[in-house]
Amino acid sequence: AQTVTQSQPEMSVQEAETVTLSCTYDTSESDYYLFWYKQPPSRQMILVIRQEAYKQQNATENRFSVNFQKAAKSFSLKISDSQLGDAAMYFCAYRSAGLNYGGSQGNLIFGKGTKLSVKP
Amino acid sequence: DAGITQSPRHKVTETGTPVTLRCHQTENHRYMYWYRQDPGHGLRLIHYSYGVKDTDKGEVSDGYSVSRSKTEDFLLTLESATSSQTSVYFCAISLRAGHGYGYTFGSGTRLTVV
Repeated sequence: AQTVTQSQPEMSVQEAETVTLSCTYDTSESDYYLFWYKQPPSRQMILVIRQEAYKQQNATENRFSVNFQKAAKSFSLKISDSQLGDAAMYFCAYRSAGLNYGGSQGNLIFGKGTKLSVKP
Repeated sequence: DAGITQSPRHKVTETGTPVTLRCHQTENHRYMYWYRQDPGHGLRLIHYSYGVKDTDKGEVSDGYSVSRSKTEDFLLTLESATSSQTSVYFCAISLRAGHGYGYTFGSGTRLTVV
């Protein structure tokens, strides 16, 4: 079974600085997707960025980018120019690209999260 | 925003009482999920549905049941609530299994069992 590990329960960054959140995963599959979700105090789960495993190019969304190392099974999130609004829980998630109807393959598997604080 | 709503948003209930949480979607997505979120555990899958009347268990299904009689509604029932079921519950939807765009989540229900 696939697992997702976030080894940093809490992180802190100064406003305007850069921070990197770590995520590793374990899988024997070759075709999958990886995600970072943000959960601010409002509790809403917001998709920050996604990566397709078959693409070597790292995904980027404005100030958010990932470092995807497929061989190392690593998927870190870099936040540049951190802002106060970036303070939140961040969850890394894995999803198989399998399409079998009715099976558990294809469900999202989450890490335990990293709580990011941003200092003014 | 995607059409997914959870009700109620907050609920306090007594130990031993039945509780039903509702998830409603207007996106006509096949897959629906119930997760619980607890500090130090992230999000853990309770049950999921891959079609009307088609449901299956997740990793923490004990004490929970679900029903899906219509595409748009997915109900989570705690047959006899216990304090260990105090949690935040999220519903999510997905167009299909293994979809590359992940899930769309509801706003969550905070359930407190006293």
